[in-house]
Amino acid sequence: AQSVTQLGSHVSVSEGALVLLRCNYSSSVPPYLFWYVQYPNQGLQLLLKYTTGATLVKGINGFEAEFKKSETSFHLTKPSAHMSDAAEYFCAVSDETGNTPLVFGKGTRLSVIA
Amino acid sequence: DTGVSQNPRHKITKRGQNVTFRCDPISEHNRLYWYRQTLGQGPEFLTYFQNEAQLEKSRLLSDRFSAERPKGSFSTLEIQRTEQGDSAMYLCASSHTKTGYNSPLHFGNGTRLTVT
Repeated sequence: AQSVTQLGSHVSVSEGALVLLRCNYSSSVPPYLFWYVQYPNQGLQLLLKYTTGATLVKGINGFEAEFKKSETSFHLTKPSAHMSDAAEYFCAVSDETGNTPLVFGKGTRLSVIA
Repeated sequence: DTGVSQNPRHKITKRGQNVTFRCDPISEHNRLYWYRQTLGQGPEFLTYFQNEAQLEKSRLLSDRFSAERPKGSFSTLEIQRTEQGDSAMYLCASSHTKTGYNSPLHFGNGTRLTVT
């Protein structure tokens, strides 16, 4: 069975500082990995996804994530935080068939301090 | 693309009552998913459809929960004899397998259920 663990339920950064949100996965088969963002009172939006190929994936709003098989990690980064990045971020995993519904982590709430 | 639409946005009900939620997916999306999200948790999978066929149900889905997707378009999720533990945000998402079985899910804004 697949699962993801997000380290840190709450991360706080200063505006302009590096954002690093951690995600480790557990999967017995090659995983497909996703990051979603949820703003208050809204549904989840896709930030980026890793399927196969290039291990560094670029997403929307300046976010990127790197798939590291040796570390079973898929951490999300952004070089410079903006106030509008404050939201809840979810890592999710599926298998290569796509017939297994996405399994989400518990989420990390990002606060950006002016 | 008008997005995934969920109704109602909020529902307050008394314990023991039945409730029904509706989800209208993005037009032509053949897959439709229901998730449940409680405070401080990520979305938990409940069930999903491909067209009108319900392909998988989570063990979380007790026999008080039933979902349908007649004609492969909109879907309804009914909870019978609601309990306080059913209080949560119910999320609907859709996708289309023509872009791959792992095509991203498009989520609605959810229906928040409060059982008093």
